[in-house]
Amino acid sequence: AQRVTQPEKLLSVFKGAPVELKCNYSYSGSPELFWYVQYSRQRLQLLLRHISRESIKGFTADLNKGETSFHLKKPFAQEEDSAMYYCALSATGGFKTIFGAGTRLFVKA
Amino acid sequence: GAGVSQSPSNKVTEKGKDVELRCDPISGHTALYWYRQSLGQGLEFLIYFQGNSAPDKSGLPSDRFSAERTGGSVSTLTIQRTQQEDSAVYLCASSLREKTQYFGPGTRLLVL
Repeated sequence: AQRVTQPEKLLSVFKGAPVELKCNYSYSGSPELFWYVQYSRQRLQLLLRHISRESIKGFTADLNKGETSFHLKKPFAQEEDSAMYYCALSATGGFKTIFGAGTRLFVKA
Repeated sequence: GAGVSQSPSNKVTEKGKDVELRCDPISGHTALYWYRQSLGQGLEFLIYFQGNSAPDKSGLPSDRFSAERTGGSVSTLTIQRTQQEDSAVYLCASSLREKTQYFGPGTRLLVL
């Protein structure tokens, strides 16, 4: 069965500090992993996906199949990064997408 | 262009009543998804439609929940005999085959 675990409900860091939002998954096949973000009073939107291997707004995420993880990282957090972050998984070739419970990131001035 | 739209934005109903939630996906998007977002629970997958294939209903929590997609476009999520535990934000999303999902603003359902 597909499962996505985000162990931290809330993460609070100071502006300029590094940030890492953890995501672990359980899936027996080949997964596609995503990070979605929801800023205050905005819609949920895609931040990045592992197959793109790109950096968006300074965030990166590397798929580690050995550790079944897809942690989201940014070296220097900004106040505008404060938001709710969701890790999501879908099967390669499939559309059903399972989301984690989300981590609320709060960046303090 | 226009994004995903949902209606109504808010719905208050009494326990036992039926409700219908509507989703208008982005034109041309072949896949459409419904999720339920409860406080502290993240997004719970309910159902998705992809083209002319049979929908994946594996996330529907009970037979009180059903959804249809007419003409490969608009979708309606119906909840029959609503219960208080159905109170949540219901999100719709659509995508092309490359699977980046575009979300609507959600419908906030409150069952009294």
